[in-house]
Amino acid sequence: DSGVTQTPKHLITATGQRVTLRCSPRSGDLSVYWYQQSLDQGLQFLIQYYNGEERAKGNILERFSAQQFPDLHSELNLSSLELGDSALYFCASSVGGTTGDEQFFGPGTRLTVL
Amino acid sequence: GESVGLHLPTLSVQEGDNSIINCAYSNSASDYFIWYKQESGKGPQFIIDIRSNMDKRQGQRVTVLLNKTVKHLSLQIAATQPGDSAVYFCAEREGGADGLTFGKGTHLIIQP
Repeated sequence: DSGVTQTPKHLITATGQRVTLRCSPRSGDLSVYWYQQSLDQGLQFLIQYYNGEERAKGNILERFSAQQFPDLHSELNLSSLELGDSALYFCASSVGGTTGDEQFFGPGTRLTVL
Repeated sequence: GESVGLHLPTLSVQEGDNSIINCAYSNSASDYFIWYKQESGKGPQFIIDIRSNMDKRQGQRVTVLLNKTVKHLSLQIAATQPGDSAVYFCAEREGGADGLTFGKGTHLIIQP
């Protein structure tokens, strides 16, 4: 158990809908990262937050957004869902937000868009 | 279990043998490299890391080798055990950037 929690574990929805994925980092970690894992693209970095502020952006679509709250939990919002958004979404956390900080991954949320 | 990818390279080794998993990276600006293990239905789990100013680092039963000249990274697992069966990913990080770039992964299968 990495100490990172994600809810829900599974999510099934329809195209065009909007969903919110939630992540609670390990106690004491200030940085949260979101990753998408799909069969064709592998694991891709989406976005990082550090202590409530956006720190880095990766391959995140404009239909997707995230935020980190004062209690450091984070939410990833996915809107206007398409079939291709079906994937595993992982959250990771680290103490800081710099190179060398080990990232601890949560168990993931499996999103299925029908 | 949940599939993490189709058409992954597969490495099959006998229990007790050593395993070597290879990874090629493309970003010459990357200065930090990590190996992750992902078991079915779980998130990636950190195994070992190495900075670009090193060419070898050892952990418990694992060794990472970095060859910056040919942009190649390898993970050696000594005396493999059934619990080592998983998909192994290399990841790189460019100095100043904070997200990891992952490789495609290698599925390691341990034969009894």
